[in-house]
Amino acid sequence: DAGVTQSPTHLIKTRGQQVTLRCSPISGHKSVSWYQQVLGQGPQFIFQYYEKEERGRGNFPDRFSARQFPNYSSELNVNALLLGDSALYLCASSLHLTGIYSNIQYFGAGTRLSVL
Amino acid sequence: DAKTTQPTSMDCAEGRAANLPCNHSTISGNEYVYWYRQIHSQGPQYIIHGLKNNETNEMASLIITEDRKSSTLILPHATLRDTAVYYCIVRGNAGGTSYGKLTFGQGTILTVHP
Repeated sequence: DAGVTQSPTHLIKTRGQQVTLRCSPISGHKSVSWYQQVLGQGPQFIFQYYEKEERGRGNFPDRFSARQFPNYSSELNVNALLLGDSALYLCASSLHLTGIYSNIQYFGAGTRLSVL
Repeated sequence: DAKTTQPTSMDCAEGRAANLPCNHSTISGNEYVYWYRQIHSQGPQYIIHGLKNNETNEMASLIITEDRKSSTLILPHATLRDTAVYYCIVRGNAGGTSYGKLTFGQGTILTVHP
């Protein structure tokens, strides 16, 4: 079975540009979460979507937005890119929204974004 | 979610048991302990979770102290492929804006030597 897939794997952008990252969850998983991982740090939560609705939001500026599609895939958009947005962006899917098993998340390999 | 404290790094010889500690002294009664690891250039991988009893699966064992203020992840026979950053996360079933939010700290860098 396919795991969580993310595209593209690498991306180079310049300051001020906009970027869209894509994620396909494990089949049957309706919850998708996005994380940002800056070099040397643990992943930081950005968003969670469940059944196409935003259910959680981390401490990120409004330049960050996301959406989930009817097939449960998701996109993360970042506008007006800053140098500090350079990071590994991780997508995770889970089967449940609540309960102890909602905290078991399956991660993709990530998209490495470099902002020049 | 309760705060966790882990050593920055640890070493282990291949074939020996790796014991990774985690302190979570402010854990509340309904919070579980979850362990994830992140191998270089990959996304985090779920390992195991527990509430108060010891747990074991095909990857590892989790020992939680009776007062639940600390836990130890045990990799019984470490291999070179177990070299990774290991994250201990304490989390309950809170909903609201914390849905889906795993809080990763700095984790423990485990290096397994030949």
